[in-house]
Parts: sequence; C-alpha cells; structure tokens
Amino acid sequence: GAGVSQSPSNKVTEKGKDVELRCDPISGHTALYWYRQSLGQGLEFLIYFQGNSAPDKSGLPSDRFSAERTGGSVSTLTIQRTEQRDSAMYRCASSLEAGGLYEQYFGPGTRLTVT
Amino acid sequence: SQQGEEDPQALSIQEGENATMNCSYKTSINNLQWYRQNSGRGLVHLILIRSNEREKHSGRLRVTLDTSKKSSSLLITASRAADTASYFCATDAYSGAGSYQLTFGKGTKLSVIP
Repeated sequence: GAGVSQSPSNKVTEKGKDVELRCDPISGHTALYWYRQSLGQGLEFLIYFQGNSAPDKSGLPSDRFSAERTGGSVSTLTIQRTEQRDSAMYRCASSLEAGGLYEQYFGPGTRLTVT
Repeated sequence: SQQGEEDPQALSIQEGENATMNCSYKTSINNLQWYRQNSGRGLVHLILIRSNEREKHSGRLRVTLDTSKKSSSLLITASRAADTASYFCATDAYSGAGSYQLTFGKGTKLSVIP
C-alpha cells in the first residue's frame, strides 16, 4: 500500500516568506509526527497529533511554527517569516496509534532552503 | 527494506541492571543514531555516533560502532523504570544527488521492572 507522502520534496524560499509543508499519512494511521533534521544531525521532534486530541506542540522551536491536521488525516506544517536557520529536512511520520509503542513510518521529507 | 535491525526485539530487566541492545545494518553509513520512543509519542534523539568513531558516552548511555561488522550497540547502565520504552537505531547514509537518507530499524521494546 501507499506509504507516507510529503510535498513538496524541495522548497527554496526567501527569508521572511511563509511556507507550508504537507504530509499525507498512511491511511488508517491515527498518530502523525513532524520532525526536523539538519544535515548530519539527529531528528528533532516538533509536534505530534493523536486522533482528535490536542496536539503535543512541545517541540516547536518558536511561535513562527504551527501545524494543523484536518479531518484526522492530512497535516500541514507552516513556518511564518522564515529565517535562514529554518533550513533543514522536514520529516513527517505516522503510526497506527500512539497509545502503545507502535512503529513510525517516515515520509521522504521536504528539504527546505531559506535564502 | 529496513537498513537497521535491532535485537533483541524485546528485553525485560530488573531496575538497576544494565540493558544492551544491538543494531545491524547493511550498507555504508555517514552516522548511526539511537532514539527512544515512550508510549507512542515522538521519537527522542539520544545519541549520534559518526562512522569514524568507535565509542561514545552520554550519561548512562554508551554506544559502540563497529563498521567492519556493520553493527552498533546501545548500553544503558543502572536502568530505571523510567527507561521503559522502545529504542530504535537509525542509519544516516548518502543516497545520491547530495541527499542523505535516515532509515530506522523496528526497535527493541525495553521493560524495566521496579
């Protein structure tokens, strides 16, 4: 079946512009996660959604970052007034549910470059 | 296919004991990372070891890397009940055209009994 998909695969934007990154999780997965990865570094947790519960936003680095998940499926990560330090690979993952220790399936990522 | 494979799949120990988890992979890597996942929440990055390093420590964590055997181990010393979680290794490898791919194994479920 289809895995997690993300779009766009690459995004180049000018400093100060807003960007939206999209994630389509695996159908039926109730948990969705956003991470950020700088080159050669580990994943940095940003935000996680579980069903209709309030999202865990504890990893968002600033109030310029926000995310929503509509209809319990597709999620959009928005970065407002982008800065060069926002340049990274943004990865989305989904899992069957978050109540137990379920494997996360990762999308291919969106590489964001802020010039 | 999964690059990293952890073993054991599940491990149950008493509080205070050491826990050792292993990870094997198949291709050349740039670095190898270990993560923890608590109760289905987001992955937490624990430690990263580069391909030219053999051992790294962070608090009660000790990671080794043997590139000749394409394997790594994570040792948690003096375990605590709060260490109960799933532990994943992930390999960061060059995938061509200037990009790197992070590939996760299926994880080891660690239970630390108080």
